[in-house]
Amino acid sequence: KQEVTQIPAALSVPEGENLVLNCSFTDSAIYNLQWFRQDPGKGLTSLLLIQSSQREQTSGRLNASLDKSSGRSTLYIAASQPGDSATYLCALVTGTASKLTFGTGTRLQVTL
Amino acid sequence: DAMVIQNPRYQVTQFGKPVTLSCSQTLNHNVMYWYQQKSSQAPKLLFHYYDKDFNNEADTPDNFQSRRPNTSFCFLDIRSPGLGDAAMYLCATSRERAAANEKLFFGSGTQLSVL
Repeated sequence: KQEVTQIPAALSVPEGENLVLNCSFTDSAIYNLQWFRQDPGKGLTSLLLIQSSQREQTSGRLNASLDKSSGRSTLYIAASQPGDSATYLCALVTGTASKLTFGTGTRLQVTL
Repeated sequence: DAMVIQNPRYQVTQFGKPVTLSCSQTLNHNVMYWYQQKSSQAPKLLFHYYDKDFNNEADTPDNFQSRRPNTSFCFLDIRSPGLGDAAMYLCATSRERAAANEKLFFGSGTQLSVL
């Protein structure tokens, strides 16, 4: 059974800092890994998708990496802004059942 | 330009009173999913439809049912809501099932309160 862990559970940084969010998983037989953003009381917005054959994806100030052999992914946010404050969840598709397994997320606060 | 639309945004129901949550999509995707997310927890898959084929998760309580009358709409029925069913319910779609480049698109969710 796939288990997904995100550390830290919460993070507070001053505006302008670069930061890294971590995601680890136990089953490396994945189809892809996605990073989502969730604002309080809202749905999920997909940020980046890394296919199993890829090692990283970039979108603007965001860069996500994937290392299947070690069961780890990181989301790098450059030059953080207060608008980046949200919960960030990683999720993986494993097996044939199109099932997305989520981590519990990292709650990010970017302060002025 | 919302592509996955959930109604209502907030739903309040009474203990034991049946409630239905709705989801519609304009993406013409084959797969529709329902997730339950309790406060500060990871979203948990309840079931999904691949076209008309219903796929229930093994640990989804019988109290939760779903209907998909056509490609665009999917409903979540909770037959007898308990206090423990209070949560955010998220609908999502994908074009196809598990594949390396398949992305899931989520609606804004319905926050269910049970009194």
